Amino acid sequence: QQQVKQSPQSLIVQKGGISIINCAYENTAFDYFPWYQQFPGKGPALLIAIRPDVSEKKEGRFTISFNKSAKQFSLHIMDSQPGDSATYFCAASRADNDMRFGAGTRLTVKP
Amino acid sequence: KAGVTQTPRYLIKTRGQQVTLSCSPISGHRSVSWYQQTPGQGLQFLFEYFSETQRNKGNFPGRFSGRQFSNSRSEMNVSTLELGDSALYLCASSPVGMNTEAFFGQGTRLTVV
Repeated sequence: QQQVKQSPQSLIVQKGGISIINCAYENTAFDYFPWYQQFPGKGPALLIAIRPDVSEKKEGRFTISFNKSAKQFSLHIMDSQPGDSATYFCAASRADNDMRFGAGTRLTVKP
Repeated sequence: KAGVTQTPRYLIKTRGQQVTLSCSPISGHRSVSWYQQTPGQGLQFLFEYFSETQRNKGNFPGRFSGRQFSNSRSEMNVSTLELGDSALYLCASSPVGMNTEAFFGQGTRLTVV
């Protein structure tokens, strides 16, 4: 079922640094690309999302960059904080409502 | 506004038994999707319901089934449980479908022994 490839698997960043997580997708029918944040014992929480007609979207410290021709998108977390330590999932979905998730990136932000 | 509610939070079942999980979506949301999350396979799509109709189904055996009621609440059932069914089962609700904002519940942790 894997149609969204996510990297890296794990990431360690110093407090104040930039965290970057990358995803690539295969199916050009995907038209919605969200990022989810998941803490242990919790369900995934919607962080930010983008559609392919936009190349970048920023919400606070979180930015999605989208490259439609390369079929890639990435999440940038600026000024990373220890409270950002969590697992991040990229996803892609299409009009027939089938959302596919990347394998996840475990982010650790060191104080 | 209340979030997505899944019950129960934890379940322990014996191999061969069946189990029913429940999901109450956000008020006004008509689409409910179910996912299985395991360390090895990640988040895998089970099925999606909209207005009591299954619109899409993932690649899971027929032992996994679901339904949606007129109030948009949804249930999923797993029959003849296997050890490999141990997972976190997540429900997501959205206004019209998973290519719009979708919100997850906290999940039901199922352990099959």
